[in-house]
Amino acid sequence: GENVEQHPSTLSVQEGDSAVIKCTYSDSASNYFPWYKQELGKRPQLIIDIRSNVGEKKDQRIAVTLNKTAKHFSLHITETQPEDSAVYFCAASRGTNAGKSTFGDGTTLTVKP
Amino acid sequence: NAGVTQTPKFRILKIGQSMTLQCAQDMNHNYMYWYRQDPGMGLKLIYYSVGAGITDKGEVPNGYNVSRSTTEDFPLRLELAAPSQTSVYFCASSYSQGTGYLSGANVLTFGAGSRLTVL
Repeated sequence: GENVEQHPSTLSVQEGDSAVIKCTYSDSASNYFPWYKQELGKRPQLIIDIRSNVGEKKDQRIAVTLNKTAKHFSLHITETQPEDSAVYFCAASRGTNAGKSTFGDGTTLTVKP
Repeated sequence: NAGVTQTPKFRILKIGQSMTLQCAQDMNHNYMYWYRQDPGMGLKLIYYSVGAGITDKGEVPNGYNVSRSTTEDFPLRLELAAPSQTSVYFCASSYSQGTGYLSGANVLTFGAGSRLTVL
């Protein structure tokens, strides 16, 4: 089955700096890669996703890049703000059943004011 | 729309007791899922359903059962609770429109979670 590894497990940045979280996956047939943000005690929420037919996707301060050859994808957050502090999860799945994604173990991002 | 509603939010069980976590969605989503999240870990899929009357095992199904008699409801049953089932449980739903990987939103909508402690 699919195996997703996420690094780093914790990340601390100064407000205004950029943050990068990286994930690798093992199943070359995976074609859907979402990223979720989970604030303390809250539910996960999708912040951005990418499908294997594109290499990069951007939404304001958030971007995701995908390298299918190397089987890794990354989340980039620019101009970080304290409200970006949360746990971020990557995931990978194949087909249309996104809920069958394999999740990474999460990265705790702390943005210091 | 309420989205995905889970009950209860918190529950303490004794070893060997049974209970049902309720999940309901009002978005007419065809796919529904149950996950557990242990401290410091990602989500693990317990069971999922692609439509009423259809359920399938996920990654960690042992000790759990589900049913999907309607599109809206997807209850998770814990039989003979064990301390290893102490976790936060999330229900989620999504809508899949087609068979191609480019089709459909497939965006997961999560419930608020149910924190279960087994003592």
